[in-house]
Amino acid sequence: TQLLEQSPQFLSIQEGENLTVYCNSSSVFSSLQWYRQEPGEGPVLLVTVVTGGEVKKLKRLTFQFGDARKDSSLHITAAQPGDTGLYLCAGGSNYKLTFGKGTLLTVNP
Amino acid sequence: DAGVIQSPRHEVTEMGQEVTLRCKPISGHNSLFWYRQTMMRGLELLIYFNNNVPIDDSGMPEDRFSAKMPNASFSTLKIQPSEPRDSAVYFCASSFFGQGRGLYGYTFGSGTRLTVV
Repeated sequence: TQLLEQSPQFLSIQEGENLTVYCNSSSVFSSLQWYRQEPGEGPVLLVTVVTGGEVKKLKRLTFQFGDARKDSSLHITAAQPGDTGLYLCAGGSNYKLTFGKGTLLTVNP
Repeated sequence: DAGVIQSPRHEVTEMGQEVTLRCKPISGHNSLFWYRQTMMRGLELLIYFNNNVPIDDSGMPEDRFSAKMPNASFSTLKIQPSEPRDSAVYFCASSFFGQGRGLYGYTFGSGTRLTVV
């Protein structure tokens, strides 16, 4: 069974601060996806990374896929209250995505 | 496109009753997934359909759960009889999977919050 561990589980910060959340596994994945989920809604895809060492930027969000394709990180610069939500990483293998339990981020004004 | 549409949004039922959850995937997607989300276990894959055919149902908890996809635009997840431990948010997601092209991102519906009392 492929497992993805996300850390920290909870994170509460002030507006303007920077943060990094992590996604780790002992398994190799063909791709790694990050989703954000808001209360009462389904997860929404933010990014897909497929190459070991790949870095992608989406405005203030920076995503990195580990060289061995087992881990990933999400860095947010100058967090805003609109960034509040549950951040989920998901490892892709063939047709299947395996999700971590997520990091619940709260950005306080 | 209206996205993945699930109904109902909320369902409260008594233990022992039958519950049917519905999903309309995005047109053109060939893959459909049913997930269950709880605080304790996170998102768990229940079943995966490709081109309307069930490919992987290893996540279906037990015989009380069944899922169908009679055509490319409709799927149901049925629980009969329901139990309090089935209380969770159930998500349907669709995507496109092609051999040699890998897996695209999933598009999730808004979910059905099921409460069994």
